[in-house]
Amino acid sequence: KQEVTQIPAALSVPEGENLVLNCSFTDSAIYNLQWFRQDPGKGLTSLLLIQSSQREQTSGRLNASLDKSSGRSTLYIAASQPGDSATYLCAPNSGNTPLVFGKGTRLSVIA
Amino acid sequence: DAGVTQSPTHLIKTRGQQVTLRCSPISGHKSVSWYQQVLGQGPQFIFQYYEKEERGRGNFPDRFSARQFPNYSSELNVNALLLGDSALYLCASSSHGGGNQPQHFGDGTRLSIL
Repeated sequence: KQEVTQIPAALSVPEGENLVLNCSFTDSAIYNLQWFRQDPGKGLTSLLLIQSSQREQTSGRLNASLDKSSGRSTLYIAASQPGDSATYLCAPNSGNTPLVFGKGTRLSVIA
Repeated sequence: DAGVTQSPTHLIKTRGQQVTLRCSPISGHKSVSWYQQVLGQGPQFIFQYYEKEERGRGNFPDRFSARQFPNYSSELNVNALLLGDSALYLCASSSHGGGNQPQHFGDGTRLSIL
């Protein structure tokens, strides 16, 4: 059974800092892993999808890496902005099983 | 193109009542999944439907049921509502049921049970 852990649970940083969010999962037999952003009371917005054959995926100031064998993924946010404040969720996808989510990392970027 | 749309956005019910939540997937998407998210937790899987067939069911009681229509829209029904059913209900669609496709989520339905 897939289990997902996200560290830290919460993070507060001043504007402009670079930061790293961590995601670990127990079952490495995955097709891909998605990173999502969730604003309070809202749905999930897909940020990046990284396939199991990839090591990294980039979109603007966001960079996700995946080490499938060790069951780890990181989301790197460069030059953080107050608009980046949200909860970030990772979800490994094992194919014919549903997405399994961690509890997320709640990020606050202070102006 | 429109994303995943869910209705209603908010709903208030009392214990014992029944509720129906609706989801329209992205045009061309044939797979719909439902998730429940309680405050402070990640989403938990409830159901997946693909081509109108149930593909998977999470660890939820039989009070929860769902169906998918020929146009690929979906409904989630919850009977005999309990206080613990208060949550954000999320719908996700993907182009097919395979695991290599990204999931796209709607804004959810906030269900409050009094």
